[in-house]
Parts: sequence; structure tokens; C-alpha cells
Amino acid sequence: GAVVSQHPSWVICKSGTSVKIECRSLDFQATTMFWYRQFPKQSLMLMATSNEGSKATYEQGVEKDKFLINHASLTLSTLTVTSAHPEDSSFYICSAAVTGYGYTFGSGTRLTVV
Amino acid sequence: GDSVTQMEGPVTLSEEAFLTINCTYTATGYPSLFWYVQYPGEGLQLLLKATKADDKGSNKGFEATYRKETTSFHLEKGSVQVSDSAVYFCALRGGNQFYFGTGTSLTVIP
Repeated sequence: GAVVSQHPSWVICKSGTSVKIECRSLDFQATTMFWYRQFPKQSLMLMATSNEGSKATYEQGVEKDKFLINHASLTLSTLTVTSAHPEDSSFYICSAAVTGYGYTFGSGTRLTVV
Repeated sequence: GDSVTQMEGPVTLSEEAFLTINCTYTATGYPSLFWYVQYPGEGLQLLLKATKADDKGSNKGFEATYRKETTSFHLEKGSVQVSDSAVYFCALRGGNQFYFGTGTSLTVIP
């Protein structure tokens, strides 16, 4: 139980385009979703916290206009990287808190901007 | 603020060797401590956890003990296998937020 399905698992896009990453909770309701980014050979860094039905809270240094987070339902949160640039190439992963279980992570999305 | 310092890799071991990956933390309050594993091309999977001092987390032959006096949570395994090759992350949770170490890449050779 407590599975988060993240799609796509990898994506290549051209500079200037936008990419949407989805995280769906399959068997529970995710009130809160966390979005992390991992640069090569570095750790996961929290980007933002999204709560269903309200605006996301972004960590210091994360551009909210570039990384749009939508959490319109209890089972779906999306991260849209707008006007992507090569420096946005990274591994993005979502995580949800599950009552009585702990935290579960999606499988991640490898974004490459060319 | 809260943080995790993890032994840098990469680490290469022969099969059946003993593994230790060091992890120390800085935290206010009493955080929960975790080890996550990331296999190639996959997301994070919880390996083990400990929620209070002196607790020992264990799973798949891996162990780690929550040491408050040394603020450490070192990961150990007595005999590694090729299938243990992955990146290991030490993490602490303060409230709802996780703080991760930089990860240690482990390669086990036959």
C-alpha cells in the first residue's frame, strides 16, 4: 500500500518549452506532497511543499514562477517546469506523507533539457 | 538548522565484505532517522529507520543504531552482495521535512 505513481520517468525537452511531471497517490489521499530535486552527485533538496487546494510553499531560492506546482485534488499533484533551460536538467522526485505509514516516494523523473 | 553529513563515496567492495557508511546529524529536538536506498533508474526506497535514541533499525541484513551521544546513525552490513549496489542516503525528519545527506554510491563486485 501507500504507492505514489510518478510520470514520466524520463523526459527530454528543448530549451524554452515546458514540461509537466505528475504524481498520483494510488491507494491513499495525499493531503501534502513534497517535491525534491537532485543534481548529479548531490543530495535531494526540497523544492516546495504542496497542500491540496492551496498554494504551494517554496523553499528559499526556488523560483515559484518557473516551477509551477498544482495540487488540485487529494490524489494528484503536478510540477510544471516552465521555459526549461539546460540548468534545469535534474532528477525530480515527489513524496507524500501517509497517515500511519510514514512517507512514500515516487520513482522520480529524469529531466534533460537540450 | 537541521542537517545530515554522510560519508562520501564512491565505495567499492568485494562480495561478502563488511560495509559501513558513516552518517552524523545536527538537529534541534528529537528527529527520526532514516536510511534510503536508490537503485539505478529507480526512486528512493526506505531501507530502515529509527525514531528514538538507542533504537536499532534493521532490514535485509542492514542495521543502524540511533546514537544520540555521538549524533550518529551509521549503516552497517556484515556481508554485502552484488545486488546491494546502489546509492544510500542518510536522512533525518524534522516535522514534515526531510534533510538528506549527499548519498554514498556503493558498488559490490563479484
